Amino acid sequence: AQSVTQLGSHVSVSEGALVLLRCNYSSSVPPYLFWYVQYPNQGLQLLLKYTSAATLVKGINGFEAEFKKSETSFHLTKPSAHMSDAAEYFCAVSDRRGAQKLVFGQGTRLTINP
Amino acid sequence: DAGVIQSPRHEVTEMGQEVTLRCKPISGHDYLFWYRQTMMRGLELLIYFNNNVPIDDSGMPEDRFSAKMPNASFSTLKIQPSEPRDSAVYFCASSFIAGISYEQYFGPGTRLTVT
Repeated sequence: AQSVTQLGSHVSVSEGALVLLRCNYSSSVPPYLFWYVQYPNQGLQLLLKYTSAATLVKGINGFEAEFKKSETSFHLTKPSAHMSDAAEYFCAVSDRRGAQKLVFGQGTRLTINP
Repeated sequence: DAGVIQSPRHEVTEMGQEVTLRCKPISGHDYLFWYRQTMMRGLELLIYFNNNVPIDDSGMPEDRFSAKMPNASFSTLKIQPSEPRDSAVYFCASSFIAGISYEQYFGPGTRLTVT
C-alpha cells in the first residue's frame, strides 16, 4: 500500500524567507507525486506534479519540488515566501496502475510572518 | 468553465436524518471522486467513478453511505441515517486522462454538521 508522510504539521517562516515543506512517500511501484494547496474554506488546487519526466518539477506561484528516489522524498520549496502563500499544503501519491487514486498526507499548515 | 460545483455548501442536520450531497463535475471529465476531510483522519478518498461506473468504493465507511452517478454531469453522496461522527467537509473532484495529466480538480466542498 502507498503512503505519504509530511514532516511537520505546522511550519512558520518569515516573509521573504525560504519555504521548505517535507514529504516522504512509500510505494512498491514507481509513483506519481503531487503537491496540492488548500486556502481557507476552499477546495484543493494542484501546485505541481511528478509523473516520471524531469525530477525537478516547477509549479505555480514559484513553487518547485524535486523527486529523489534514493531518499523517497518529494519536498516542496519556494525561495522567497509571500504572505499569500499562507495555506495548507498536501502531498499525495498514486501509482501508475491506478493513477487516478490519490493517497494524501496529513497536510502542513504554512504560516507567513510579516 | 465554472469548475466543479457542489451543493449545498453548508448542511446542518440532526442525527438520524438523511443527507444528500450533490456534485456537478467539469464538463468532459470522465473521473469523479468523493473525499472526506476531518481533523482526525485528514483527507480520505471515499469512492470514485469512471464513465459513471463506480470503480473503487473501498473507502466508503459503512453501509450508511452510498454514492451514485446517474449521468456524466451529476453525482450524489447520501448518508442515511446520519450520525455526529459524519461531521466533516466533503469534497467532490473530477479529472480526465489527457496524456499523463492526472490532475484532479476539486470543488469548494460541503461542510456537514450532524448534531
